Amino acid sequence: AQSVTQLDSHVSVSEGTPVLLRCNYSSSYSPSLFWYVQHPNKGLQLLLKYTSAATLVKGINGFEAEFKKSETSFHLTKPSAHMSDAAEYFCVVDRYNFNKFYFGSGTKLNVKP
Amino acid sequence: DAGVTQSPTHLIKTRGQHVTLRCSPISGHKSVSWYQQVLGQGPQFIFQYYEKEERGRGNFPDRFSARQFPNYSSELNVNALLLGDSALYLCASSKPPEDEKLFFGSGTQLSVL
Repeated sequence: AQSVTQLDSHVSVSEGTPVLLRCNYSSSYSPSLFWYVQHPNKGLQLLLKYTSAATLVKGINGFEAEFKKSETSFHLTKPSAHMSDAAEYFCVVDRYNFNKFYFGSGTKLNVKP
Repeated sequence: DAGVTQSPTHLIKTRGQHVTLRCSPISGHKSVSWYQQVLGQGPQFIFQYYEKEERGRGNFPDRFSARQFPNYSSELNVNALLLGDSALYLCASSKPPEDEKLFFGSGTQLSVL
């Protein structure tokens, strides 16, 4: 069963405009959710992690994500895109909280000048 | 501190051969996980090791095996290589069970001809 669905394979925005990358998850438990970013020829970097402490999670580089249990969503946003944000973004669930991560298929973000 | 290191960075093999990939975790991290990332897809979980014991296995054939050494480094072995094994193999380390953040290496790019 698919645990994480990233709704857009490609997103293109202009520099300075908002970014929205969408993610829905499926889990019988209260999951741990993450967003990772992968720049070309570089390893995966953790952007942010959801714990049960707060539904709005702030990450690095101005990114944040909101956990909505009723919608089973964990969308990633940024108010103003920067050229350096161009990369592939992965929504990840640790469904059983065992450090066994399930990755979405990824969203490639393109930032136009 | 050094991050997760993987070797080699690139590898070319032919069908039927065997390959060994190596990973050194971040100092102090006792858990190592392996992921396979096929071009255009998100990483898929292969194995997790903690304190030299296998804690999880993904949906991969028995041709894939791994082990963890007393110094917490790890090897991933793949026997009887198939063309479909061509992928980026990622190693990640963490401090389970309480810390769910995974720190990834830059990966080993395996090409099977």
